Amino acid sequence: NAGVMQNPRHLVRRRGQEARLRCSPVKGHSHVYWYRQLPEEGLKFMVYLQKENIIDESGMPKERFSAEFPKEGPSILRIQQVVRGDSAAYFCASSPVATQPEQFFGPGTRLTVL
Amino acid sequence: QKEVEQNSGPLSVPEGAIASLNCTYSDRVSQSFFWYRQYSGKSPELIMSIYSNGDKEDGRFTAQLNKASQYVSLLIRDSQPSDSATYLCAVFHYGGSQGNLIFGKGTKLSVKP
Repeated sequence: NAGVMQNPRHLVRRRGQEARLRCSPVKGHSHVYWYRQLPEEGLKFMVYLQKENIIDESGMPKERFSAEFPKEGPSILRIQQVVRGDSAAYFCASSPVATQPEQFFGPGTRLTVL
Repeated sequence: QKEVEQNSGPLSVPEGAIASLNCTYSDRVSQSFFWYRQYSGKSPELIMSIYSNGDKEDGRFTAQLNKASQYVSLLIRDSQPSDSATYLCAVFHYGGSQGNLIFGKGTKLSVKP
């Protein structure tokens, strides 16, 4: 009974490089959410996706960040031209349906920008 | 702007005592409420959900919801050192075809042996 899977668990990038974070939801879950947690801060919602659709990206920075959840394969959070302020833990969560709001979190990807 | 407020703590209780964690929220139409536990360096783990006014008990945990006062609490009975973690209150607002969780910043709990 696999839970939410994320990889890589740790990612180090230099300023200006691209970061790609992957998330595979719980089997049978079709709703994926991405959150960011800065050191000593709370979890901040970034984006909500269903297969092939972005439902709500109100928490996503307008530039450099993008997300997708293709028909096949994991959801991807992509950060272009990373800056030091992007260093954070990025968590993915999934839920089975939108009307059942319990979300289950993956282990997270800890991004460090040098 | 929907907000969820928690005391950051740290809240320190002796082993065996009751730990009481509190949370208030600003959006009156919020419909679902959750408590997550997060150990340092780990991901949030769902421990309680509550949807209607009153109390909900699960083992040593009791969640309490008062929608009129926009208040949610979590009681941990017989606290153990392994309960030492940050507890996150989350509020879900479902509107139309979408919704998302709004998290408080968390309360750090320390249970002393």
